[in-house]
Amino acid sequence: DAKTTQPTSMDCAEGRAANLPCNHSTISGNEYVYWYRQIHSQGPQYIIHGLKNNETNEMASLIITEDRKSSTLILPHATLRDTAVYYCIVRGNQGGKLIFGQGTELSVKP
Amino acid sequence: DAEITQSPRHKITETGRQVTLACHQTWNHNNMFWYRQDLGHGLRLIHYSYGVQDTNKGEVSDGYSVSRSNTEDLPLTLESAASSQTSVYFCASSEEVNTEAFFGQGTRLTVV
Repeated sequence: DAKTTQPTSMDCAEGRAANLPCNHSTISGNEYVYWYRQIHSQGPQYIIHGLKNNETNEMASLIITEDRKSSTLILPHATLRDTAVYYCIVRGNQGGKLIFGQGTELSVKP
Repeated sequence: DAEITQSPRHKITETGRQVTLACHQTWNHNNMFWYRQDLGHGLRLIHYSYGVQDTNKGEVSDGYSVSRSNTEDLPLTLESAASSQTSVYFCASSEEVNTEAFFGQGTRLTVV
């Protein structure tokens, strides 16, 4: 499975869009990009995933570059409850195991 | 509603004892995973299973074992607990690689 690189931490003002980048330059054609977040010490929570096309759901949008070497998770209107560690994961065909990196600690400030 | 549950939520045990952490899911997922998370770090994969009677080692499998006798359960056993195994343990399950994985709420294990 390809490795990912994310900034260690980011700040965002409440009500503004939070844009979290992720590099995955070694991703292969059949690997998906997944995003999870973890609030305090709770179990990781699924946010969104995609293969090639941009995706949107009720929580966020996922923008994947055309070469698939990077992606951006967008939280359109961040709230204080979005403060969490966000993990970008490249997930392959081998049974769907998720390999976590260090993630980005997002702090949403009033 | 379908769910994934871990038990116990908290456990304190002594060095050298055998400990088993339970994970039960009601989605009938084939894929199940065990992770550990140490303070201030990301999750690390311990063991995983793709179906009944199938088990595989992850990144940090030494000192741990799993067995898969049915679809719903993947118990994690610490053969002889060590202080280095003090951690929060998370179980997860998923149907396929292109579907989300669901995580349990975690088990906080302290080895004294």
